[in-house]
Amino acid sequence: DAGITQSPRYKITETGRQVTLMCHQTWSHSYMFWYRQDLGHGLRLIYYSAAADITDKGEVPDGYVVSRSKTENFPLTLESATRSQTSVYFCASSEPGLTDGYTFGSGTRLTVV
Amino acid sequence: GESVGLHLPTLSVQEGDNSIINCAYSNSASDYFIWYKQESGKGPQFIIDIRSNMDKRQGQRVTVLLNKTVKHLSLQIAATQPGDSAVYFCAENYTGNQFYFGTGTSLTVIP
Repeated sequence: DAGITQSPRYKITETGRQVTLMCHQTWSHSYMFWYRQDLGHGLRLIYYSAAADITDKGEVPDGYVVSRSKTENFPLTLESATRSQTSVYFCASSEPGLTDGYTFGSGTRLTVV
Repeated sequence: GESVGLHLPTLSVQEGDNSIINCAYSNSASDYFIWYKQESGKGPQFIIDIRSNMDKRQGQRVTVLLNKTVKHLSLQIAATQPGDSAVYFCAENYTGNQFYFGTGTSLTVIP
């Protein structure tokens, strides 16, 4: 199906574990983004990518790693999960010149215990 | 003692009434703004946008007003329906393709 797909939908992991959240889009949008959403903070940008093999830090990048070897995929890895990384994570994509901003995935709810 | 988490601003309206949701943005250089709607368990969804060279833009049942003097955006929803219940975010753009999001307002429509 066309769109932007995140997996898994829910994830529980233990402190110190590595976990990867997946994001796949079918539009060939240039830009992809990872946000975390926490009550009281709204959406905060973790990392973004302007194209394959080009990534850059956002507002809250510490503890996260991203890669973008293919335009359609933008995985987010928590190298050693901490409880403060318990959050809802949203992936988004966009194409410069479009007027509809970002298109978001449905989110991954991550709980670190 | 028990810690209390931060809560979203909330707005409750009767079905059929008009809703006005406000947003103060941070950067006077922002030139593009979007309102998003987020339903429970879903990602944010585009509603309407406006550029800084405009004061008002209308969509289907929604109107966005921009006051650059006081860095204020508002979203007006006409004849609010139960399906409008959601969290609404404003987002501003002033750096390349990056948007910065407000914390959101929770709208509850009372049938």
